[in-house]
Amino acid sequence: KAGVTQTPRYLIKTRGQQVTLSCSPISGHRSVSWYQQTPGQGLQFLFEYFSETQRNKGNFPGRFSGRQFSNSRSEMNVSTLELGDSALYLCASSRLRGATYNEQFFGPGTRLTVL
Amino acid sequence: KQEVTQIPAALSVPEGENLVLNCSFTDSAIYNLQWFRQDPGKGLTSLLLIQSSQREQTSGRLNASLDKSSGRSTLYIAASQPGDSATYLCAVHTDKLIFGTGTRLQVFP
Repeated sequence: KAGVTQTPRYLIKTRGQQVTLSCSPISGHRSVSWYQQTPGQGLQFLFEYFSETQRNKGNFPGRFSGRQFSNSRSEMNVSTLELGDSALYLCASSRLRGATYNEQFFGPGTRLTVL
Repeated sequence: KQEVTQIPAALSVPEGENLVLNCSFTDSAIYNLQWFRQDPGKGLTSLLLIQSSQREQTSGRLNASLDKSSGRSTLYIAASQPGDSATYLCAVHTDKLIFGTGTRLQVFP
């Protein structure tokens, strides 16, 4: 069974540009969550999508947005990039959401560098 | 606000030692707790998930325990190997995952 895949694996952008990252969850998983990892802040929750609807959102500015498609694949978009957006962006998928036994499986991440 | 802390921040041990990594959280209202490992520049690999109703989980040389009332979890690694070198992260499940700061483990031959 294929794991969570993320594309692209590496990105270099300049300030002011926008970027779109993609995540394909494990087959049968309907929940996709996004996390940002930086040396200073660690791993922080961005948002969760389930059945094409955003179910939860972290404390990030509106420049960060996402969506989920009917096949559960998800995209994350960051507009007007800032230097501080340089990070490893990780996507996690799970079968369910909420308080049930809900193991989260992570992809390899997309390394975004903003110059 | 839920806060998750991991001690120690870094650990360097010779091969063969048994290890205990600690994770503490401030709010016992969690659903589950999950342990991950992360190799440099890579994603997270799930090691163990402990449901809130469970006390421990085992997988191979790994054993994780959970004490919700005291806000603590431990990850026990038996007979450590150089391949165990990585950063270990614990995360509590609320409406999202809240991660600890990690323990960077180095096991030398």
